[in-house]
Amino acid sequence: RKEVEQDPGPFNVPEGATVAFNCTYSNSASQSFFWYRQDCRKEPKLLMSVYSSGNEDGRFTAQLNRASQYISLLIRDSKLSDSATYLCVVTPARPSYRDDKIIFGKGTRLHILP
Amino acid sequence: DTGVSQNPRHKITKRGQNVTFRCDPISEHNRLYWYRQTLGQGPEFLTYFQNEAQLEKSRLLSDRFSAERPKGSFSTLEIQRTEQGDSAMYLCASSLVLRGTSGSLHEQYFGPGTRLTVT
Repeated sequence: RKEVEQDPGPFNVPEGATVAFNCTYSNSASQSFFWYRQDCRKEPKLLMSVYSSGNEDGRFTAQLNRASQYISLLIRDSKLSDSATYLCVVTPARPSYRDDKIIFGKGTRLHILP
Repeated sequence: DTGVSQNPRHKITKRGQNVTFRCDPISEHNRLYWYRQTLGQGPEFLTYFQNEAQLEKSRLLSDRFSAERPKGSFSTLEIQRTEQGDSAMYLCASSLVLRGTSGSLHEQYFGPGTRLTVT
């Protein structure tokens, strides 16, 4: 099983629809989780951290399921500007002063269709 | 603009030449990371620094690659004897991590990257 795995997509979704991404991870000791967004030929930008209790930021909701070892990102009322690649990020070790490396998934491409 | 800058933004070089890239992180950030990204892939971790100390190097980082952060501020990544397979986007990121704090402080902020083309 890959350390971090995402559906590569692309997801082609009509504007206004709801879209969900999942990301699975193999290391049960993983502690920190994030979603990043990357536009074409641009650098990744932090979208949101993923907390154990789940968190919401406007149209975006992130969830963590430790038992099944996956994180999810839900985008409601999708906009054309949401078109991008969404990368999940997993930090394997316990948060500590000397951390293990951070692992990015390959990303899921999202196209919002007008 | 996240405050992380990288230079140059683009570099075209011939196989066998040496190249050096620079990253200036957000000033108060103590961690600095280097990644490589190729088309259709997520960023692949190369190495990271805690202040001036290089704490981890990926197996991807061959002997031809070296990174430094001499004063705990900016960092350089050098590739010696470049190969065509080195062609990629090289990304730098920085974060602020305090001892004993939660993982939320591992949020990284990326620079615009240096796109390397080896001909």
